[in-house]
Amino acid sequence: DAGVIQSPRHEVTEMGQEVTLRCKPISGHNSLFWYRQTMMRGLELLIYFNNNVPIDDSGMPEDRFSAKMPNASFSTLKIQPSEPRDSAVYFCASSATGVGTDTQYFGPGTRLTVL
Amino acid sequence: GEDVEQSLFLSVREGDSSVINCTYTDSSSTYLYWYKQEPGAGLQLLTYIFSNMDMKQDQRLTVLLNKKDKHLSLRIADTQTGDSAIYFCAATDAYGGATNKLIFGTGTLLAVQP
Repeated sequence: DAGVIQSPRHEVTEMGQEVTLRCKPISGHNSLFWYRQTMMRGLELLIYFNNNVPIDDSGMPEDRFSAKMPNASFSTLKIQPSEPRDSAVYFCASSATGVGTDTQYFGPGTRLTVL
Repeated sequence: GEDVEQSLFLSVREGDSSVINCTYTDSSSTYLYWYKQEPGAGLQLLTYIFSNMDMKQDQRLTVLLNKKDKHLSLRIADTQTGDSAIYFCAATDAYGGATNKLIFGTGTLLAVQP
């Protein structure tokens, strides 16, 4: 299995621009999670989906952030407009909820720099 | 809800044992996990323990769980320079409902000196 796939791996953009991060979960997994990691705040859960439905988006920082999961094999996290404080590494993870240990498997992350 | 805490930094010499500690607050967490993050990479699952166990061993890794004190530890025997990384403790959130929301600790940076 290819594991969780994220694209792009690196993104540099200017303040005010729209940024879209993409994630392909492991085939057969029914839960998907978006995290943000910074030195100051550590690893934060932004939003998670179960069977393509958003379950908890309480971690989304503000209205500039939105996430979608149109089907079981694809999700996006969009920031519009982006700000320098959004610079971070964004991780996507997936799991097979209700099967065994519900272990989350992480992608390699997207390093976002907003100038 | 669940809260998970770890010490921030641990330095050991190559060949020594490393012990990374973690405390959590919610005794109803079903599983507890250890993840490893190397520089520039995502989090990689190292091992996990079910809440009704008190020890699990996997090659050089030993996980100890003290449910009474809500304390979890990861012992790495014969620590190598390749073990240098950030180690995250995580617990299932009993309030996560149908989905296994995990609560992560801040991570412990393990530095292995040659």
